[in-house]
Amino acid sequence: GESVGLHLPTLSVQEGDNSIINCAYSNSASDYFIWYKQESGKGPQFIIDIRSNMDKRQGQRVTVLLNKTVKHLSLQIAATQPGDSAVYFCAEAGGNTGKLIFGQGTTLQVKP
Amino acid sequence: DAGVIQSPRHEVTEMGQEVTLRCKPISGHNSLFWYRQTMMRGLELLIYFNNNVPIDDSGMPEDRFSAKMPNASFSTLKIQPSEPRDSAVYFCASSFDSGDGGELFFGEGSRLTVL
Repeated sequence: GESVGLHLPTLSVQEGDNSIINCAYSNSASDYFIWYKQESGKGPQFIIDIRSNMDKRQGQRVTVLLNKTVKHLSLQIAATQPGDSAVYFCAEAGGNTGKLIFGQGTTLQVKP
Repeated sequence: DAGVIQSPRHEVTEMGQEVTLRCKPISGHNSLFWYRQTMMRGLELLIYFNNNVPIDDSGMPEDRFSAKMPNASFSTLKIQPSEPRDSAVYFCASSFDSGDGGELFFGEGSRLTVL
């Protein structure tokens, strides 16, 4: 029979615009969060991380915001480029373990 | 620098056959993870090792799945017997964990198709 896959949320943006990808995490004990990017046919690649003692961290063209009160994480990409098109995953870890649990992912489509 | 190396990249097998997936982590990393990715369930953690010792295997689906890490530079994930529902991309990842987590570096994955 036909399989039903996950319906990943999709964010479609114009090249040059800023993108904001959101993630709700589940475990209030999580204290380490990472954003990963996965291009088609490849493994996830690290983008940026943040620990729970911070609420904002900036990298090159990317910013991660953490709101522990509502267990929400966001990834902001400035001046989005076609090469940014991919699936983006947030992941959480905590309790002094290295065990990363991934969210379902968001597809980012960049229109030229 | 060599990243996490997985083999085979693709495997097609028939139901009932044994499948062995292999992983070489990044040298110096002390944690190794096996994940499975499917359209239905996304990225699922199957098992992870720290200093070659299995720490959490609660994600291993059933007894048909087993994983070993005989030394710091090699790990296997075995499925015996394989079933069509095992079809997925299996990722190995490694990290240096100093006790409070760390960035995972993923391999390119092994795409398994069980007919």
